[in-house]
Amino acid sequence: DAGITQSPRHKVTETGTPVTLRCHQTENHRYMYWYRQDPGHGLRLIHYSYGVKDTDKGEVSDGYSVSRSKTEDFLLTLESATSSQTSVYFCAISESGGGGEQYFGPGTRLTVT
Amino acid sequence: AQSVTQPDIHITVSEGASLELRCNYSYGATPYLFWYVQSPGQGLQLLLKYFSGDTLVQGIKGFEAEFKRSQSSFNLRKPSVHWSDAAEYFCAAGGSGGSNYKLTFGKGTLLTVNP
Repeated sequence: DAGITQSPRHKVTETGTPVTLRCHQTENHRYMYWYRQDPGHGLRLIHYSYGVKDTDKGEVSDGYSVSRSKTEDFLLTLESATSSQTSVYFCAISESGGGGEQYFGPGTRLTVT
Repeated sequence: AQSVTQPDIHITVSEGASLELRCNYSYGATPYLFWYVQSPGQGLQLLLKYFSGDTLVQGIKGFEAEFKRSQSSFNLRKPSVHWSDAAEYFCAAGGSGGSNYKLTFGKGTLLTVNP
């Protein structure tokens, strides 16, 4: 299995609270992605990174920001969490971007009350 | 716009029966194609991938998929399903290079296996 960890694995937070999720990889892959998974919607891309300090928006980026200061770490921040952001969040990595397969982390279950 | 469609939301099969999960894509060019499996509470695991060449690709756990350009399809098959195959399956498509960094995922097909 690819070396991808996510922390925390579970989190409950209150509306309006800032939340940061961390993705850490040991594969030295260039590309990293954050998805959210919700019933009936499948996987939706939030943000992705194509190198250190190089990031771009996905299809559901409103309310989320990301940062990547090191190859191995990709952070997802909810500036002010809302109940609509209750979801399971997955990080993925890829060596060659859209042309290559992505490897997924174990996920973070976030509940916003 | 690029899209991946999995027409079946939920499929139920009996253990030992054959399985085919459907996937159709809409892309500007022949995409790279993938199938992933997700067990409850787990992340997605790559089953197989198609980049080019032989249109029948073999994957892990006894799965295979066939790329049919004329039908824009990439269906997943297994000749004999095991109870442990119960999971959700996702088809995905990606660009063949350039600035296309992303995969487009279908919404998934949930597989139930009856004993």
